[in-house]
Amino acid sequence: GQQLNQSPQSMFIQEGEDVSMNCTSSSIFNTWLWYKQEPGEGPVLLIALYKAGELTSNGRLTAQFGITRKDSFLNISASIPSDVGIYFCAGQGLDSNYQLIWGAGTKLIIKP
Amino acid sequence: GAGVSQSPRYKVAKRGQDVALRCDPISGHVSLFWYQQALGQGPEFLTYFQNEAQLDKSGLPSDRFFAERPEGSVSTLKIQRTQQEDSAVYLCASSVSGIEQFFGPGTRLTVL
Repeated sequence: GQQLNQSPQSMFIQEGEDVSMNCTSSSIFNTWLWYKQEPGEGPVLLIALYKAGELTSNGRLTAQFGITRKDSFLNISASIPSDVGIYFCAGQGLDSNYQLIWGAGTKLIIKP
Repeated sequence: GAGVSQSPRYKVAKRGQDVALRCDPISGHVSLFWYQQALGQGPEFLTYFQNEAQLDKSGLPSDRFFAERPEGSVSTLKIQRTQQEDSAVYLCASSVSGIEQFFGPGTRLTVL
């Protein structure tokens, strides 16, 4: 079945640094979504991408839908303490108009 | 406007007990999803409703799991004869499109 590989698994960064994470799929996706989850809460939708090559920003966050339709990237510029959390990518494959395939998450930790 | 709400937020059950988890979706959202999330993992799909119709229950792990949405709004996930492996966070999400899914805070179930 379809699989998503999300990397890195975790990141230790200094406040003010830029952050990059990515997801790759074994097959083509129609849609990529990026979510953030904080402890004790459900995932919160950050950015949705619908077209290959699409680049979309949400404040300091920028995400791109890869040209091959098999990957997506999320960048966070000038990280701040409230960026801490787990970031998940999720993709919609060709064989479903509702079911999402989820990555395992990237845990972002700010070094004290 | 109100987001997705779930109750209870925490549930402790003795092995063998039945539990019922409630989800109130965003008003007007046709699609409703239940997910199971293990610690350190992404959400795993359980079941999908479009209005009151349960269109996909392929992710339900066993026949002890049952979900309903009788009036196309509030949904209940019921787990009969709970087992320790059922311990997880159960997330509910609702959507207009089926793709951009908005999550509730989850119910953390602990089976002793």
